[in-house]
Amino acid sequence: QLVLTQSPSASASLGASVTLTCTLSSGHNSYAIAWHQQQPEKGPRYLMKVNSDGSHTKGDGIPDRFSGYSSGAERYLTISSLQSEDEADYYCQTWGTPPVVFGGGTKLTVL
Amino acid sequence: EVQLVESGGGLVQPGRSLRLSCAASGFTFDDYAMHWVRQAPGKGLEWVSGITWNSVTLDSADSVKGRFTISRDNAKNSLYLQMNSLRDEDTAVYYCAKDPRNGYNGWSYFDYWGQGTLVTVSS
Repeated sequence: QLVLTQSPSASASLGASVTLTCTLSSGHNSYAIAWHQQQPEKGPRYLMKVNSDGSHTKGDGIPDRFSGYSSGAERYLTISSLQSEDEADYYCQTWGTPPVVFGGGTKLTVL
Repeated sequence: EVQLVESGGGLVQPGRSLRLSCAASGFTFDDYAMHWVRQAPGKGLEWVSGITWNSVTLDSADSVKGRFTISRDNAKNSLYLQMNSLRDEDTAVYYCAKDPRNGYNGWSYFDYWGQGTLVTVSS
């Protein structure tokens, strides 16, 4: 069954870089995923789609500080030069069977 | 600029019905599949339902199947969610989301989201 696994929390210092991980369940290494950011008390915002070959397609207005890549069943989101507004929940999402699947989300704290 | 604006949320008793609406603008609405996604208080995101550009294919999560119905009116650039037999566990913020594809070959991801509308089911 298609499942996405994320660590519940992550933290990094202001100005530093952080990489968040989303892991696809066994047998689903070829799947693309999308990353979404949800700042406190706001609706989600699409960040980028990350393909199995590591290529990615960003949403409108997403800064260059955000990048994505892949390795096997892992899909990564790297945020560099962390800013206070990057403190948010980050969700990965994919599609197939079941139709649409979300990871549990990672709460990023900017120290 | 793409805008998705949900409305229709509120407090409703268990077993009753509610209809959510989503007004879309800034893109050619009838070119794309659309979805509803919800988020219970303090919880993660859960896909609820999706509809293809031409309303030929509708699909819903098992948790709402038989109770919720998604629909759209392309002439009005609007998406709807009819929610019947509401339960306490349906309490959530409901988001309207745009798919970057038309849905003909299945669902995809969500490239735009609304700000959400809160539905509270309680007696």
